[in-house]
Amino acid sequence: AQSVTQPDIHITVSEGASLELRCNYSYGATPYLFWYVQSPGQGLQLLLKYFSGDTLVQGIKGFEAEFKRSQSSFNLRKPSVHWSDAAEYFCAVGQSGNTGKLIFGQGTTLQVKP
Amino acid sequence: GAVVSQHPSWVICKSGTSVKIECRSLDFQATTMFWYRQFPKQSLMLMATSNEGSKATYEQGVEKDKFLINHASLTLSTLTVTSAHPEDSSFYICSASNSLSSNYGYTFGSGTRLTVV
Repeated sequence: AQSVTQPDIHITVSEGASLELRCNYSYGATPYLFWYVQSPGQGLQLLLKYFSGDTLVQGIKGFEAEFKRSQSSFNLRKPSVHWSDAAEYFCAVGQSGNTGKLIFGQGTTLQVKP
Repeated sequence: GAVVSQHPSWVICKSGTSVKIECRSLDFQATTMFWYRQFPKQSLMLMATSNEGSKATYEQGVEKDKFLINHASLTLSTLTVTSAHPEDSSFYICSASNSLSSNYGYTFGSGTRLTVV
């Protein structure tokens, strides 16, 4: 069965520091991978997605993620975190083929220290 | 870009009443819409998948008679929580897609906070 694991429930980084949020997936075929961000009481905003091609994906707000098939990972990175990046981050895997459902990870709460 | 509008953003209702939540794709035709439920501090759990003009497909454990989903057009899907009870209080989010591999991907609404008193 498909699954997504975000090992870190909560991460605290200092403003200006680099960030890496981990995501591991379990999926038999080539996965469609997503990272979303959610502010409190809000919906989800797509940061970036990977379908195929270059394994290093650039997203909005300075985020990037790298697809590593050998490690079944799709970690999200940002070289310098801003206080406004504090939010909940979700990794998700989608079924290939027709419009398929997304399976979400448990989420990682990012706290940014001044 | 793709925009999905969800309404209302919050609603308080009395136990036993029904509540309807709307999800609209504003600038694209959504062949498929998804309804999720999110409890505080938890991830999103898919409730059902709806395709325009056909019956929704519910996930295991989701009561189809309680959570009525209608996807009558390519731009509108509704979720009706029937005979709501306090345990139905949650954050409900819809998402819409017209193609998994298109630039739209999955676009989410802003969510609806339902409180049943």
